[in-house]
Amino acid sequence: DAGVTQSPTHLIKTRGQQVTLRCSPKSGHDTVSWYQQALGQGPQFIFQYYEEEERQRGNFPDRFSGHQFPNYSSELNVNALWLGDSALYLCASSPFASGRANEQFFGPGTRLTVL
Amino acid sequence: RKEVEQDPGPFNVPEGATVAFNCTYSNSASQSFFWYRQDCRKEPKLLMSVYSSGNEDGRFTAQLNRASQYISLLIRDSKLSDSATYLCVVNSVNNNDMRFGAGTRLTVKP
Repeated sequence: DAGVTQSPTHLIKTRGQQVTLRCSPKSGHDTVSWYQQALGQGPQFIFQYYEEEERQRGNFPDRFSGHQFPNYSSELNVNALWLGDSALYLCASSPFASGRANEQFFGPGTRLTVL
Repeated sequence: RKEVEQDPGPFNVPEGATVAFNCTYSNSASQSFFWYRQDCRKEPKLLMSVYSSGNEDGRFTAQLNRASQYISLLIRDSKLSDSATYLCVVNSVNNNDMRFGAGTRLTVKP
């Protein structure tokens, strides 16, 4: 049973560029959440997708957007990158429909470096 | 004030020691509480949920005090493999927004 997978594992971009990160949820999970984790900090909630819609959003600007596909996989897009966007981006999936939305399983993350 | 606060540590303890971590949260309407473990350069993994009555899983015991808005994690008989960062997680009322503390770093030494 494959867990949560994310791609790419590492990424280097320059200021002003745009980036797309991808996530495939754990088998049987239909809800995907995205988090940003800066060095030495806990993960910060960006947004959550369920039934291909953004259900909840954290305190992140509109430069951060996402999408969920019919197969439950998801993308995170960040436009106009700046140095402060350098972080580990984590995707977490959960079985929302089962009621266990709180028990999230994390992927290994994508480490984004903005130069 | 941060929504979820933890002592960042580091806690350096010898094998076999008992160590306790505390976490406080600011939203009195929070409903769900968890401890996650994160190894260096790895993703967080669920360690245990925290229930109002307290719960135990082997050497790990979690407690919740709603009146004082704090959560605790007790690790008994520490092992070298317990070395990690322990993240306190609180779920907001709408059930979709998990708030993480910054984590407490534990190092267990021989």
